[in-house]
Amino acid sequence: SQQGEEDPQALSIQEGENATMNCSYKTSINNLQWYRQNSGRGLVHLILIRSNEREKHSGRLRVTLDTSKKSSSLLITASRAADTASYFCAPAGSARQLTFGSGTQLTVLP
Amino acid sequence: EAGVAQSPRYKIIEKRQSVAFWCNPISGHATLYWYQQILGQGPKLLIQFQNNGVVDDSQLPKDRFSAERLKGVDSTLKIQPAKLEDSAVYLCASSWGQAGEKLFFGSGTQLSVL
Repeated sequence: SQQGEEDPQALSIQEGENATMNCSYKTSINNLQWYRQNSGRGLVHLILIRSNEREKHSGRLRVTLDTSKKSSSLLITASRAADTASYFCAPAGSARQLTFGSGTQLTVLP
Repeated sequence: EAGVAQSPRYKIIEKRQSVAFWCNPISGHATLYWYQQILGQGPKLLIQFQNNGVVDDSQLPKDRFSAERLKGVDSTLKIQPAKLEDSAVYLCASSWGQAGEKLFFGSGTQLSVL
């Protein structure tokens, strides 16, 4: 299995601003997933992008995937205080196991 | 649809004691996972079941950790004896079919080993 590495480790923005988080991985993937974790809770699935897709949208979320660079980005537009959480990417390779990095801690200030 | 249920929510034990965690996945989900999440880190996969068979337990410390999935539904994770470094949140997750698809997580069990 392979692990995604999120960047930056921490991000602090004002409410209404956009937040961008990046993920890099090392080997080929079948899909890549993004999850959110609020403090003291389990992870919640946000979006899954398959290896043959380049961009996907879900509400205020936009995910891009560049398989040639082995990277993905998650954009949250018009952020809200409720978006404060840790965000994890999980690349799923041929073994189809999901392995998580240390995440990006996003703080949205009111 | 009911989510993944885990119990207990919190557990405090002393080192060398034993502890067990229980997980009830979403009905019909074939794949079940146990993850360990140490404070400030991402979840680390301990064991993965497909129905009631083990798919991957390569990162499970088998000298002290054990897990089973009864009749391909509920699962228990046991630690015996516990060490201080086992203090973490233990997360259970499930998915519909083959691995690599969307995971549904429970709220986790927070274990403190004193």
